[in-house]
Amino acid sequence: RKEVEQDPGPFNVPEGATVAFNCTYSNSASQSFFWYRQDCRKEPKLLMSVYSSGNEDGRFTAQLNRASQYISLLIRDSKLSDSATYLCVVNDQAGTALIFGKGTTLSVSS
Amino acid sequence: GAVVSQHPSRVICKSGTSVKIECRSLDFQATTMFWYRQFPKQSLMLMATSNEGSKATYEQGVEKDKFLINHASLTLSTLTVTSAHPEDSSFYICSAFLTGTNEKLFFGSGTQLSVL
Repeated sequence: RKEVEQDPGPFNVPEGATVAFNCTYSNSASQSFFWYRQDCRKEPKLLMSVYSSGNEDGRFTAQLNRASQYISLLIRDSKLSDSATYLCVVNDQAGTALIFGKGTTLSVSS
Repeated sequence: GAVVSQHPSRVICKSGTSVKIECRSLDFQATTMFWYRQFPKQSLMLMATSNEGSKATYEQGVEKDKFLINHASLTLSTLTVTSAHPEDSSFYICSAFLTGTNEKLFFGSGTQLSVL
């Protein structure tokens, strides 16, 4: 069964903290990888794509390790507004449906 | 930018009634749309892939006679929950790929269905 596994958390951190999420996927042939953010009862929103070379967008850094089949997301200098559920997402084949992990809940407090 | 519009956003209905959810792609044509369901504290689970002009492809365990999908045009897919029961209460969300793009998916805003 194709699966994406995440630690559900919750991760409770103070403002300014650095927090890291990991995710593993079962299908070694998976082609595309993403992190989405979902707020309660809202649609998921793309946070960033994940590339083998690693990529950074402001306070967010994503890494992909194909050999170990895991994906990571690092958030630096956490803000209150970062509180949400972060979904690890995998696309096995272009044009097909995305496969979502259960999500990791982050709560940032002041 | 491209947008997917989903309606209604919230439905409360009695057990045994049928509920139709609409998903429209705005300013682009979507030959393929996806329907997901999300229970509380669970991940989005793919229910079916909706193909314009042909039958939908359902995931294992999803009853095609209960969850009717119609994708009659390139901009509209509908999901009808027939004879809804309390266990069908969930967050339903549609998504669509912009034609020619394979790494960006647009989501509707979701429909919270509550069956009493």
